[in-house]
Amino acid sequence: ETGVTQTPRHLVMGMTNKKSLKCEQHLGHNAMYWYKQSAKKPLELMFVYSLEERVENNSVPSRFSPECPNSSHLFLHLHTLQPEDSALYLCASSPLITDRFYGYTFGSGTRLTVV
Amino acid sequence: AQSVTQLGSHVSVSEGALVLLRCNYSSSVPPYLFWYVQYPNQGLQLLLKYTSAATLVKGINGFEAEFKKSETSFHLTKPSAHMSDAAEYFCAVTSLGANSKLTFGKGITLSVRP
Repeated sequence: ETGVTQTPRHLVMGMTNKKSLKCEQHLGHNAMYWYKQSAKKPLELMFVYSLEERVENNSVPSRFSPECPNSSHLFLHLHTLQPEDSALYLCASSPLITDRFYGYTFGSGTRLTVV
Repeated sequence: AQSVTQLGSHVSVSEGALVLLRCNYSSSVPPYLFWYVQYPNQGLQLLLKYTSAATLVKGINGFEAEFKKSETSFHLTKPSAHMSDAAEYFCAVTSLGANSKLTFGKGITLSVRP
């Protein structure tokens, strides 16, 4: 069990559905990240939050909407997704966004399938 | 800009054989380098990291990596592969700087034959 917990582990949704992914960290970290992992592609950084403030949005379509209500929780709200959005979505955290020494702690991911 | 290159997508070794997974980086400033491992249906787990101290870095599960600035490389090795080492391995780079972030390679899958 890592210090970063993601729920649900698996999600199947239709293109017209609205769903949310949840990430929770118990490490006292102040930075949290959403990554998308698609087959045969490098990990894609989607969003970065530092002290609950969004500091980076890497040209992610508006059908993905992040929310960080506090430094322990991170959500990814999904609506009107496309089949190409099917992927493993990984949450990660680090002590500070400027802390390069630590590396990131990852959750186990949510496997999303859009039908 | 910074990047890492992991050539090839798959490496297969026999149990007990040497494991060598290659990573080359590109960075205009001194890099910090990481290796992560991902087991099936899991997230990424940190194996080891180079943060400008010793160039030979030892990590978990018997893995180690050597930072070679002249070759811009950070290859991952293990003297003797075990069946449980079968997984996907990612090299990543970052550096000091307000806008720097962790950039991953595309990963390489390690298979271990009995």
